[in-house]
Amino acid sequence: NAGVTQTPKFRVLKTGQSMTLLCAQDMNHEYMYWYRQDPGMGLRLIHYSVGEGTTAKGEVPDGYNVSRLKKQNFLLGLESAAPSQTSVYFCASSYIQTQETQYFGPGTRLLVL
Amino acid sequence: AQKVTQAQTEISVVEKEDVTLDCVYETRDTTYYLFWYKQPPSGELVFLIRRNSFDEQNEISGRYSWNFQKSTSSFNFTITASQVVDSAVYFCALSDATTSGTYKYIFGTGTRLKVLA
Repeated sequence: NAGVTQTPKFRVLKTGQSMTLLCAQDMNHEYMYWYRQDPGMGLRLIHYSVGEGTTAKGEVPDGYNVSRLKKQNFLLGLESAAPSQTSVYFCASSYIQTQETQYFGPGTRLLVL
Repeated sequence: AQKVTQAQTEISVVEKEDVTLDCVYETRDTTYYLFWYKQPPSGELVFLIRRNSFDEQNEISGRYSWNFQKSTSSFNFTITASQVVDSAVYFCALSDATTSGTYKYIFGTGTRLKVLA
């Protein structure tokens, strides 16, 4: 049982490049989330999903897209990366029955030059 | 609006000292949950405790203790006899239901704790 995993762990992009961050969970959780963590700002919710095939916007969704084609995977896409998207990205998931408690992945560090 | 305030940006203590990390929250809901997470230098988020709004009992786990007071909307975290391994950033978070019924986390900005040997 690996819990929540994230791929890649670290990535460097040039402005304008695109990439996809992968989050996978093996706990059969219904809900999944993407956060970004910036210095002095805590974690902020980007997008979330309440089930396979559904997604919704969080607090800071601009510049990101997400997809939840399979229940265990939640993808975060950057179509045209900007330096302002340099951050650490955390994925989380939760049971529908206890959705108030989220389980976090190890994070992905993204640097956009 | 929901909000979590951790007014202490950084705290430095000498090993074996006790230290309290403050957390003040705002929510309109009567049902909500409060959390503390530890983020060590390695970067992962380590779950420490979950508290629901109906349980105001203080909790102790080893050197860690939590003081939940609804009257002051505070959920403070105390480390007794601090150790160098306690050095980390600590986040307080609030989880409450949105208008659509889903729960969302609101994080504080974190408190960096440095324990000096």
